[in-house]
Amino acid sequence: ETGVTQTPRHLVMGMTNKKSLKCEQHLGHNAMYWYKQSAKKPLELMFVYNFKEQTENNSVPSRFSPECPNSSHLFLHLHTLQPEDSALYLCASSQGPGLMINYGYTFGSGTRLTVV
Amino acid sequence: AQTVTQSQPEMSVQEAETVTLSCTYDTSESDYYLFWYKQPPSRQMILVIRQEAYKQQNATENRFSVNFQKAAKSFSLKISDSQLGDAAMYFCAYRSRGGNKLVFGAGTILRVKS
Repeated sequence: ETGVTQTPRHLVMGMTNKKSLKCEQHLGHNAMYWYKQSAKKPLELMFVYNFKEQTENNSVPSRFSPECPNSSHLFLHLHTLQPEDSALYLCASSQGPGLMINYGYTFGSGTRLTVV
Repeated sequence: AQTVTQSQPEMSVQEAETVTLSCTYDTSESDYYLFWYKQPPSRQMILVIRQEAYKQQNATENRFSVNFQKAAKSFSLKISDSQLGDAAMYFCAYRSRGGNKLVFGAGTILRVKS
């Protein structure tokens, strides 16, 4: 247990389904992130939230919709995904910019998503 | 924009031997942070070691050490006395001092032979 919990661990969904990924941290961090990890590609930053506000959307398609109701929780709502969206989705948290930024992230174990 | 390059897709090392993983990066900034993360089959990304660019001394964490060459923009990871548990994907990452985005390299798979 690293302090960042992601659920579910595995998810199989059809292209017309709607599902949500959940991320939770109780480390006192105020920044949270979604990354996509596909085979043989570098981790792709999707979204950044600082103090519950979205500060970065890395040209992510609108079929991915993040939500950050508070500094401890982050969701990724999925709708009408494509097979190429199958990947490992990693959530991470850290102190925000300007605060102890010499530390890296704490990651969750990820959700393995398969779109069929 | 910053980029991180790991030129070794895969490396192998004999148990108890030493291996070095390479990483180069590109940035116009002078103050930043560099990290090595380990991702075993469990998928958990674990921070192995970090280096602050303004520090000349290379970081060391037990069997893990780095060779930080700021002018060359190189940040290699040396693993001494390799153990079977070191087998994993290793990622090099960069973070600006003023921001909180981590930019990752493509990763290096490390295999440890017994």
